[in-house]
Amino acid sequence: NAGVTQTPKFQVLKTGQSMTLQCAQDMNHEYMSWYRQDPGMGLRLIHYSVGAGITDQGEVPNGYNVSRSTTEDFPLRLLSAAPSQTSVYFCASSPEEFDNEKLFFGSGTQLSVL
Amino acid sequence: GQQLNQSPQSMFIQEGEDVSMNCTSSSIFNTWLWYKQDPGEGPVLLIALYKAGELTSNGRLTAQFGITRKDSFLNISASIPSDVGIYFCAGQLTGANSKLTFGKGITLSVRP
Repeated sequence: NAGVTQTPKFQVLKTGQSMTLQCAQDMNHEYMSWYRQDPGMGLRLIHYSVGAGITDQGEVPNGYNVSRSTTEDFPLRLLSAAPSQTSVYFCASSPEEFDNEKLFFGSGTQLSVL
Repeated sequence: GQQLNQSPQSMFIQEGEDVSMNCTSSSIFNTWLWYKQDPGEGPVLLIALYKAGELTSNGRLTAQFGITRKDSFLNISASIPSDVGIYFCAGQLTGANSKLTFGKGITLSVRP
């Protein structure tokens, strides 16, 4: 089982560039979410989706966009990258929102913005 | 907002030793979760706790939901080298708009 797949694993951007972090899950989960992990800080929720066509903001949404056109995919877009967005990004999914025992994380994307 | 405190940031123990970690909050939670993150990987759930006072084990791991609902503890017994990683606690209230709040994590090193 692939579970939650994130691509790329590593990415370096220049300030102002745009890019999309990909996230796909093959477990038919309705709930998907994006977190960022910074040194000395806990995971912080960026955006989340409770089903196809539905997205909402998390704790730190500024500078990021998301869409959920299919159940399987939940891409995260950086429209104009800034050094403050240097972080490790995790995508997670679960069958439903608040189903924490079945919340699975991808292996992360390490992003550096120069 | 809600904050979870985990300290110290790093712990160093000898293989075979037991280690205890705690997580405290200024707010009450209805659910406590403990995750482990291996290098280069995402967090993996170790134990979930749903009731104040609950004590749950998973192999060499034991976690407790504090009776005040403002803290939780994770114990690892007879540590082995593969216990190395970052251990996160997370808390959640139930109800609408209640998202997981994560602690900053404790990095555990185990000396052979």
